[in-house]
Amino acid sequence: EVQLVESGGGLVQPGGSLRLSCAASGFTFSTYWMHWVRQAPGKGLVWVSRINSVGSSTSYADSVKGRFTISRDNAKNTLYLQMNSLRAEDTAVYYCASSPYGAFFDYWGQGTLVTVSS
Amino acid sequence: DIQMTQSPSSLSASVGDRVTITCRASQSISNYLNWYQQKPGKAPKLLIYAASSLQSGVPSRFSGSGSRTDFTLTISSLQPEDFATYYCQQGYDTPLTFGGGTQVEIK
Repeated sequence: EVQLVESGGGLVQPGGSLRLSCAASGFTFSTYWMHWVRQAPGKGLVWVSRINSVGSSTSYADSVKGRFTISRDNAKNTLYLQMNSLRAEDTAVYYCASSPYGAFFDYWGQGTLVTVSS
Repeated sequence: DIQMTQSPSSLSASVGDRVTITCRASQSISNYLNWYQQKPGKAPKLLIYAASSLQSGVPSRFSGSGSRTDFTLTISSLQPEDFATYYCQQGYDTPLTFGGGTQVEIK
């Protein structure tokens, strides 16, 4: 059974940092592209970032470029999102999602809530 | 960025109804169009990928069609468990973008 389990969310002050993790199991993690998608409270889905299967290529939404960094450790079957210079508008549930070749999300984690507030 | 426009934003329907949701892309995206279902407090679930391919385990009452800029998700006979919000998403180019969602409610 495919499982994606996010952790690392919480309350952080504006300007602060958080690192999200996503532990994967039940599939060959090292062959999948991985993504982060977020959803602000009561709002729609917004793609944040993606990384290819070997970690050599990354892409970001303009709203997070230069502040967030996606990475992965295929030996640990884990995806990360380092979030710096956090803003109130980054408040959202953050989902990790797997992707056979980058264009769609076939499995999703349960999400982790990030709240940016003073 | 490619803009995805869904319509309607919400609809009311009864069990057994045929439901159609449309999604329009601001430029041609070939068949790089995917559909997701999301229930309150839950993660989205992939229904359809590549415009018309049914994800494994998804009931056959769900179907997708379209190409280039215009796409449709059809639920042939709405079931109680289908009341949810549906999103389209283009996978043609980054940034990957979603439609605004269609909330399907019980009439």
